[in-house]
Amino acid sequence: AIQMTQSPSSLSASVGDRVTISCRASEGIRNDLGWYQQKPGKAPKLLIYAVSSLQSGVPSRFSGSGSGTDFTLTINSLQPEDFATYYCLQDYNFPYTFGQGTKLEI
Amino acid sequence: EVQLVQSGAEVKKPGESLKISCKGSGYSFGSYWIGWARQMPGKGLEWMGIISPDDSDTRYNPSFRGQVTISADKSINTAYLQWSSLRASDTAIYYCARRVTYYVSTGSKNYFDPWGQGTLVTVSS
Repeated sequence: AIQMTQSPSSLSASVGDRVTISCRASEGIRNDLGWYQQKPGKAPKLLIYAVSSLQSGVPSRFSGSGSGTDFTLTINSLQPEDFATYYCLQDYNFPYTFGQGTKLEI
Repeated sequence: EVQLVQSGAEVKKPGESLKISCKGSGYSFGSYWIGWARQMPGKGLEWMGIISPDDSDTRYNPSFRGQVTISADKSINTAYLQWSSLRASDTAIYYCARRVTYYVSTGSKNYFDPWGQGTLVTVSS
């Protein structure tokens, strides 16, 4: 199975900051990667798919980049509602695999 | 509105069986695969497997194969996750999600949206 290594595991930031979260695949996954946000007690929510495509309704301060094995989620101008846990998910082949998650804290 | 609604929380004893459900509405249920993910207390998401409700083609994460059974009934727009003999280590929240597939020049692309609200399964003697 493809392993997804996500870093950092936790991150402290302030409102207005710019943050980046990384995900590295153990082998090439083309651009078959999405990013999901999960708030406490809630289901995950799709933010970005196919590395850089923004899901409808997601603020433009979220962006994704990368290809092959290295991918990045960037959040510009952090807002209070962005403090959550973020996961990458590769859907290149079965079994799909999540990164370990990054908890973004104030 | 496209949505997935999961069955309610369950409290079971070790060794008992369980089947939880995920009902889709607002779209053609048979046209989209449904995936399942596990989240153990305080931990991250783990992808368990996925099923095509149209023909019941199922793919399991090897870590979960033999431990759970994924099924679907297209006629009632519902997917299922079941256990024949629960263990305390099955205590977790289980989420279903619809896989959306679209096609570009280089092939197919996927994403999971929406997600069900989650079903908390507690296994304790």
